[in-house]
Amino acid sequence: EVQLLESGGGLVQPGGSLRLSCAASGFTISSYAMSWVRQAPGKGLEWVSGISGSGGSTYYADSVRGRFTISRDNSENTLYLQMNSLRAEDTAIYYCAKDRPQTVGATWADAFDSWGQGTMVTVSS
Amino acid sequence: DIQMTQSPSAMSASVGDRVTITCRASQGISNYLAWFQQKPGKAPKRLIYAASSLQSGVPSRFSGSGSGTEFTLTISSLQPEDFATYYCLQHNSYPWTFGQGTKVEIK
Repeated sequence: EVQLLESGGGLVQPGGSLRLSCAASGFTISSYAMSWVRQAPGKGLEWVSGISGSGGSTYYADSVRGRFTISRDNSENTLYLQMNSLRAEDTAIYYCAKDRPQTVGATWADAFDSWGQGTMVTVSS
Repeated sequence: DIQMTQSPSAMSASVGDRVTITCRASQGISNYLAWFQQKPGKAPKRLIYAASSLQSGVPSRFSGSGSGTEFTLTISSLQPEDFATYYCLQHNSYPWTFGQGTKVEIK
């Protein structure tokens, strides 16, 4: 059974930093791209960042580029999101999600079938 | 960036109604389109992937169609457990983008 478990959320002051983790199990994490998606209170879903299976390619939404860094440790089956220079508008539930398969012959359209339960990040003084 | 325009943003419907939600992409995205259902306090749940493939375990009253720029999620006969918010997601080109969401409420 695929499981994704986020951790690291909490209350941080504006300008502060936080590092989120997503522990994966039940699948070979290196065979999949991974993404972070967030949801501000009462708002819709916003894709934040993605990373290829090898970690060699990373992608960001304009709203976080230059402040957030996505990374992964495939040997530890863990995805990370380092968040710096946090702002009030970064307040949200952050979800990690299993993105596209990266193996040869896989169906790229078969993405985002598994999500974590989310971790809350609150940026406030 | 590809913009996903989802409509309607909210709707009221009765049990048994046929419900249709539309997402339009600002440029072609082939079939890299997924639909999600989200209930309050829960993570999104994938219903449809590759525009029209039904996720295993999802009831057959859910269906998806479309390709290119226009996509539709249809619930053939709305059930009490279907009252939720629905989102589309394009993952054809970065940055991936979601539609604004459609809240389906009880009439």
